[in-house]
Amino acid sequence: SQQGEEDPQALSIQEGENATMNCSYKTSINNLQWYRQNSGRGLVHLILIRSNEREKHSGRLRVTLDTSKKSSSLLITASRAADTASYFCATDPSGGYNKLIFGAGTRLAVHP
Amino acid sequence: DADVTQTPRNRITKTGKRIMLECSQTKGHDRMYWYRQDPGLGLRLIYYSFDVKDINKGEISDGYSVSRQAQAKFSLSLESAIPNQTALYFCATSDRQGLDGYTFGSGTRLTVV
Repeated sequence: SQQGEEDPQALSIQEGENATMNCSYKTSINNLQWYRQNSGRGLVHLILIRSNEREKHSGRLRVTLDTSKKSSSLLITASRAADTASYFCATDPSGGYNKLIFGAGTRLAVHP
Repeated sequence: DADVTQTPRNRITKTGKRIMLECSQTKGHDRMYWYRQDPGLGLRLIYYSFDVKDINKGEISDGYSVSRQAQAKFSLSLESAIPNQTALYFCATSDRQGLDGYTFGSGTRLTVV
């Protein structure tokens, strides 16, 4: 069963614009993570936010977490064509011993 | 060399055949995982291992088996492949705390005909 559900399923923007992707989940968590996948290749870990954190930054990435709403968002600022990829949220459920549960992902296309 | 290496990269096999997918890592991580990815469904956990003697079923283990030959090696077997096992398979590793996230291999694209 999927824990995280990303929204939107697909997003198309121009270079320089910001991209926002959302993730909702169902159970309490230890942390939530975001990964990027380039066209069928392995996933790459981007950022982890713990359940007691509300916001985290890494370069052009900003992640927020609202545990009361069981939701998270990933903001990519000043998007580049190289950001074109699929983005997945993954939750580490409380008591789940770091067995991540992945959502279906958001496909981001950034056009030059 | 990649931190997590999967072999083969691509494989086409016939229904009923036994096939093994291999994964090796140089991260020194205790924990290893096998996931499959299907279009529109994200990644689903097949098996996971927290150390050489600790192997556990994941969400979709039916039709699969695993072997943790060493800390660095974790293989996935399809005992009798069927067409709906056609998917992209990923091996991943993490340390015990998991706070650096998973490290994924490049995947094995398996087609069962």
